[in-house]
Amino acid sequence: NAGVTQTPKFQVLKTGQSMTLQCAQDMNHNSMYWYRQDPGMGLRLIYYSASEGTTDKGEVPNGYNVSRLNKREFSLRLESAAPSQTSVYFCASASHRGNYGYTFGSGTRLTVV
Amino acid sequence: TQLLEQSPQFLSIQEGENLTVYCNSSSVFSSLQWYRQEPGEGPVLLVTVVTGGEVKKLKRLTFQFGDARKDSSLHITAAQPGDTGLYLCAGLVNNDMRFGAGTRLTVKP
Repeated sequence: NAGVTQTPKFQVLKTGQSMTLQCAQDMNHNSMYWYRQDPGMGLRLIYYSASEGTTDKGEVPNGYNVSRLNKREFSLRLESAAPSQTSVYFCASASHRGNYGYTFGSGTRLTVV
Repeated sequence: TQLLEQSPQFLSIQEGENLTVYCNSSSVFSSLQWYRQEPGEGPVLLVTVVTGGEVKKLKRLTFQFGDARKDSSLHITAAQPGDTGLYLCAGLVNNDMRFGAGTRLTVKP
């Protein structure tokens, strides 16, 4: 099925460990996004890539890095995980910078202990 | 402070009842979207509204965009248990998409 695929689905990290969250879309969308979702706070933008070869910071970028590997793939890296990064992470893609809506992946539930 | 305020935060109703949830802001949006999210899944787009005063219907769901493009409402007629979920509004301002915290709806059979 066409859409956005995220891996892994669940992950537990120890404080200070690093990991990369993978995201791929097969809808030929130009724009891709990484959000985190925390109770009562809605979805907050971490980083986005308006097109292949560009990345920009969102609302909460500290502690994260991203790579737009090609048009399909956009990865999120935590270099040194902290308990404050415990959250559910969603990747999304869109055409036309989101004017017609985003397509989200099913999320990665990350716990940092 | 959320750019988009959604109310109510939680809503629990019986099957067959009608309901309205709201999305408000002091900002003007070029477009506004509604999503539904089920547990363990990502949000799924329901509708996009673009024009002030626009009304869109999707079966039993009616979406309205405020005249000034600062607010929106979602009305569900004769709610069913399958409508249970987290309803999120999202507004696009200056190429920046902002999400509300959502209304968690439970429809009891």
